[in-house]
Amino acid sequence: QTVVTQEPSFSVSPGGTVTLTCGLRSGSVSTSYYPSWYQQTPGQAPRTLIYSTNIRSSGVPDRFSGSILGNKAALTITGAQADDESDYYCVMYMGSGIRVFGGGTKLTVL
Amino acid sequence: EVQLVESGGGLVKPGGSLRLSCAASRFTFSSYSMNWVRQAPGRGLEWVSSISGTSGFVYYADSVKGRFTISRDNANNSLSLQMNSLRAEDTAVYYCARGEDPYFFDYWGQGTLVTVSS
Repeated sequence: QTVVTQEPSFSVSPGGTVTLTCGLRSGSVSTSYYPSWYQQTPGQAPRTLIYSTNIRSSGVPDRFSGSILGNKAALTITGAQADDESDYYCVMYMGSGIRVFGGGTKLTVL
Repeated sequence: EVQLVESGGGLVKPGGSLRLSCAASRFTFSSYSMNWVRQAPGRGLEWVSSISGTSGFVYYADSVKGRFTISRDNANNSLSLQMNSLRAEDTAVYYCARGEDPYFFDYWGQGTLVTVSS
């Protein structure tokens, strides 16, 4: 059973804005879970986008932003581009050294 | 730029063993925790194990606890994952990832494929 939940798929129009979320099966996400976000295209290694809720990793464009929305962590892409079409994964730090990935969201740009 | 290169993947029979390695370069290896993350074919990413910079702390996902052992050699800038009692569900690409504070992965290798099949 997936402890960390993500939308399985999402679509956005080119130039549009999309918000992907990352929740917990039970409980609310807070900054204490240090949510981070990763982008992965098929056949490639993941790329780090956001860490500690809302800090962009080096080289990541500012159209990617992270936040807490309600009881979930969120990744917002503003002005979506064709090459944003990827799988997006969140990770939560659960304490005691344990990290848990969400199931991932497949984002389509069309 | 940080470089992480995994090796050691291959085909192994159920119940068998395999040892993965990750060669690290272009950063002070001992100053960082290191991690293994895997991805089964067509599936999502799964955190497997972490080890602190001085090997004082090691952590495992429940799915591999008791079967996998993470270790590191700071003198040779290398990370290892000893995998025993392998199962079909361990089939995956295994990525080596550098850990950064707080609790995220900042650099990734390209992965090595492990296939468990008879």
